[in-house]
Amino acid sequence: EADIYQTPRYLVIGTGKKITLECSQTMGHDKMYWYQQDPGMELHLIHYSYGVNSTEKGDLSSESTVSRIRTEHFPLTLESARPSHTSQYLCASSANGEKLFFGSGTQLSVL
Amino acid sequence: GQNIDQPTEMTATEGAIVQINCTYQTSGFNGLFWYQQHAGEAPTFLSYNVLDGLEEKGRFSSFLSRSKGYSYLLLKELQMKDSASYLCAVRDPYKAGAGSYQLTFGKGTKLSVIP
Repeated sequence: EADIYQTPRYLVIGTGKKITLECSQTMGHDKMYWYQQDPGMELHLIHYSYGVNSTEKGDLSSESTVSRIRTEHFPLTLESARPSHTSQYLCASSANGEKLFFGSGTQLSVL
Repeated sequence: GQNIDQPTEMTATEGAIVQINCTYQTSGFNGLFWYQQHAGEAPTFLSYNVLDGLEEKGRFSSFLSRSKGYSYLLLKELQMKDSASYLCAVRDPYKAGAGSYQLTFGKGTKLSVIP
């Protein structure tokens, strides 16, 4: 049902590397979100966008940045990865701010 | 502030009925959502309540009482595939920026269905 894709699914990387997590959706949704989730913990919103060229920071402070140049694409970038960035990153989209469609997530491990 | 409470873990037997409770305290309220998340997978939408009462959808039902800040998810005729985490989330119109609604999630209830 959901047409939202995240790559890579798993990523193991060394400290100091720059990484970009990709998220794309083919549903034409204006609203897109990035959540961070640690094992056994709640999802925390780190970035959101309500349309092209619109991005805002979420509740949880994050050193990552996002961009929204095209409706379907909402990549997340870490300029210099650290072990504290190890987590699962979930991308989501919605048409009307109600039902969220989630991607499969990226499990990031920074060594 | 925002506070959403759910039991951490529950265990139930295949074929039985289980009720997962969620209580919330938020600045505002504009809907409560339940999501299912299997281990290592993305959450998937189960139900949405904005008015008081029971919403039934197949084996799953969700109840809301806004005055009590309380909701529950009822799962009937449990199957092994129902073993997952169940996330309660509240939409708070006063939390987000102008014109936007965001969800605050609870930590989730890990349900284990045993034979």
